[in-house]
Amino acid sequence: DAGVTQSPTHLIKTRGQQVTLRCSPKSGHDTVSWYQQALGQGPQFIFQYYEEEERQRGNFPDRFSGHQFPNYSSELNVNALLLGDSALYLCASSLGSLGSEAFFGQGTRLTVV
Amino acid sequence: QKEVEQDPGPLSVPEGAIVSLNCTYSNSAFQYFMWYRQYSRKGPELLMYTYSSGNKEDGRFTAQVDKSSKYISLFIRDSQPSDSATYLCAMRPYSSASKIIFGSGTRLSIRP
Repeated sequence: DAGVTQSPTHLIKTRGQQVTLRCSPKSGHDTVSWYQQALGQGPQFIFQYYEEEERQRGNFPDRFSGHQFPNYSSELNVNALLLGDSALYLCASSLGSLGSEAFFGQGTRLTVV
Repeated sequence: QKEVEQDPGPLSVPEGAIVSLNCTYSNSAFQYFMWYRQYSRKGPELLMYTYSSGNKEDGRFTAQVDKSSKYISLFIRDSQPSDSATYLCAMRPYSSASKIIFGSGTRLSIRP
């Protein structure tokens, strides 16, 4: 049973560029949430997708956007990258809009230079 | 004030010791409580998932929730060097599309 998979594992981008990160949820899960984890900190909630809609959003600017596809996979897009966007980006999957247990992928480490 | 407070450590104990990790929180709406283990440069791994107050045991791990004190704990018995990692407490309310709030994590090192 495949767990949550994310791609790519590492990424280096230049300030001002745009980036797209991808996530496939655990088999049987239909809800995907995205988190940003800065070094030495706990993950911070970005947003959650269920039934291809953004259901809740954390305190992140509109430069952060997402999408969920009919097969439940998801993308996180970040525009106009800033140095402060450098972090580990985590995808979590769960079942149903109430969340249940959330399982995380290994993350994508984004470095903005 | 942060919604979830967690001592960052680092915490270093000898192999075989009992480890106690703790978090406090301020939001009385939190109903689900979790502990994740995160190895360096990896994603968080769900260890324990509990609803409301009480204890839950799984092998060497025991999670306790005291909602009246807004305090949760994770106990690790017979600690092993492989338990060395960062432990994140996490919690959320019972509501539609609710987000998980994490503590900042405690770095734990088990000395052989």
